[in-house]
Amino acid sequence: AQKVTQAQTEISVVEKEDVTLDCVYETRDTTYYLFWYKQPPSGELVFLIRRNSFDEQNEISGRYSWNFQKSTSSFNFTITASQVVDSAVYFCALSEADGGATNKLIFGTGTLLAVQP
Amino acid sequence: AAGVIQSPRHLIKEKRETATLKCYPIPRHDTVYWYQQGPGQDPQFLISFYEKMQSDKGSIPDRFSAQQFSDYHSELNMSSLELGDSALYFCASGSSYNSPLHFGNGTRLTVT
Repeated sequence: AQKVTQAQTEISVVEKEDVTLDCVYETRDTTYYLFWYKQPPSGELVFLIRRNSFDEQNEISGRYSWNFQKSTSSFNFTITASQVVDSAVYFCALSEADGGATNKLIFGTGTLLAVQP
Repeated sequence: AAGVIQSPRHLIKEKRETATLKCYPIPRHDTVYWYQQGPGQDPQFLISFYEKMQSDKGSIPDRFSAQQFSDYHSELNMSSLELGDSALYFCASGSSYNSPLHFGNGTRLTVT
């Protein structure tokens, strides 16, 4: 069965600190996708990144970076030099590829990140 | 760029009433997903459609039904509303080429 675990319920940092959000997943499929979404206080879900199971290359986008390690079934997300605007709930999610169509996302329970000025 | 449009943004209903939520996917997206997010919870998958046919079903109550129309918009119909149905309801769309799901801004339903 699929499962996504975000063990950190809440994290509080001071602006300009680096912060890493952990995500551990379980799946029996060899082909799957991992995602991160951001949910700011306004409530919308904002897509940040998608990574497929065959691509373990780390990715950097501005202050955001992601570390995917299949050996530990982890897909961690690091924000460098955090800013107050980064305050949000961050969800890690998993979907299993079914040969063509998109598939439903299984979300973790989310990590609430509070960046203090 | 066009995004997923959901209406209404907010909806207040009383117990036992009926509600209809609408979703307009991104143009050329052929899959629609509905999610329910309770307060402080992660989004839970309800139901999905691919090319106007139901493709998957999650923890959707029997009181709820949904469909996707010929113009690809989708509606989630909720009857005999209960207090526990109060939640944020998201619609997401994607293409059949494993693109990421893009979510609408959600409809916040409050049942009193």
